[in-house]
Amino acid sequence: GAVVSQHPSRVICKSGTSVKIECRSLDFQATTMFWYRQFPKQSLMLMATSNEGSKATYEQGVEKDKFLINHASLTLSTLTVTSAHPEDSSFYICSATDPGQPNQPQHFGDGTRLSIL
Amino acid sequence: GENVEQHPSTLSVQEGDSAVIKCTYSDSASNYFPWYKQELGKGPQLIIDIRSNVGEKKDQRIAVTLNKTAKHFSLHITETQPEDSAVYFCAASPPAGTALIFGKGTTLSVSS
Repeated sequence: GAVVSQHPSRVICKSGTSVKIECRSLDFQATTMFWYRQFPKQSLMLMATSNEGSKATYEQGVEKDKFLINHASLTLSTLTVTSAHPEDSSFYICSATDPGQPNQPQHFGDGTRLSIL
Repeated sequence: GENVEQHPSTLSVQEGDSAVIKCTYSDSASNYFPWYKQELGKGPQLIIDIRSNVGEKKDQRIAVTLNKTAKHFSLHITETQPEDSAVYFCAASPPAGTALIFGKGTTLSVSS
């Protein structure tokens, strides 16, 4: 079964709206979660690393004031796309690593399809 | 930083044939190489992974090989079935707990 839950799965909203996406680790505590963005027919591009209890680390070219990340607990990280515009439309996916598993594979959520009108 | 190249971008095979997808990586410090299968509208699902202290790993019809010297790793799927049709991504990562760097993906189509 799923070990990482992402919500919502689909969002359609007007330009200028802020959208919050939640990523939860089920059955394990994740001190680190990752947020990726995937445009159609392209690969996953890392946006930021979410660290529980501290500031997120953003990749070059990703605006931290645009994509707010909060990792307030060991099982929840949120990504808020502020004042979203059509160019922010994409598939956003989070992942988490279970430190209790010997090989620590990354488990991905099912993604959030964001469509800005 | 790490850079992962993946080939081919598309692969079409007949049911029952084998499929091979190849990746190369640039950072010799990377030591973890997972493969993910992504179906339309869903997140990637881990199908197999390998660490740098192992040369080959097999799980039923799926196998992965790693050549550390050449910085190559490959996914092998035998006896392909239509349900194997999906996009496959290779990835590389430095030590555990860090983000994955993905290849561009391979769209595999298995026709019956």
